[in-house]
Amino acid sequence: DAKTTQPTSMDCAEGRAANLPCNHSTISGNEYVYWYRQIHSQGPQYIIHGLKNNETNEMASLIITEDRKSSTLILPHATLRDTAVYYCIVRVVINTPLVFGKGTRLSVIA
Amino acid sequence: SQTIHQWPATLVQPVGSPLSLECTVEGTSNPNLYWYRQAAGRGLQLLFYSVGIGQISSEVPQNLSASRPQDRQFILSSKKLLLSDSGFYLCAWSPGRLDEQYFGPGTRLTVT
Repeated sequence: DAKTTQPTSMDCAEGRAANLPCNHSTISGNEYVYWYRQIHSQGPQYIIHGLKNNETNEMASLIITEDRKSSTLILPHATLRDTAVYYCIVRVVINTPLVFGKGTRLSVIA
Repeated sequence: SQTIHQWPATLVQPVGSPLSLECTVEGTSNPNLYWYRQAAGRGLQLLFYSVGIGQISSEVPQNLSASRPQDRQFILSSKKLLLSDSGFYLCAWSPGRLDEQYFGPGTRLTVT
């Protein structure tokens, strides 16, 4: 799988949008971008994934650049419960497991 | 709906003792199954994954092993635990090759 680069940590004010960047400059054409998050002492939780089009669901939006070398996860109205480590993962097609990096620790501040 | 169970939730074991952690999935068939470990203050490390009964792929060579005796059962074992085996062990499943993974509640293992 291609490697990803994320900032170690970020802060966000409660109620504001949280924009979490991810660089994946070596991504291949058949690799998807996945986002997960892990709240302290819990298992990771799936958020969203995409290939090249922007995606939106009830949790977040995923913006992928046209060259697919980077993406941004957007939490539109961050709450204190969104405080977690957010992982950006690129994953090849075919039966492969997720490979987690160190992620970004997002702290939502009241 | 599908659910994933792991037990025990916490475990304290002495060095050199054996280990058996169990994970079961309900409400689906032929899932892909995964074992991860998270050491204190570190990221998730994939240990094993399985795409079917008796099919185990190991990602990291170590003193742990995994088995899948039934379609929805995944077991993580060790014959002799090391201090470095301490960590948060997570089991996960996915329906298929591109699907998102769903994680269990985890087992926190402390080797003393």
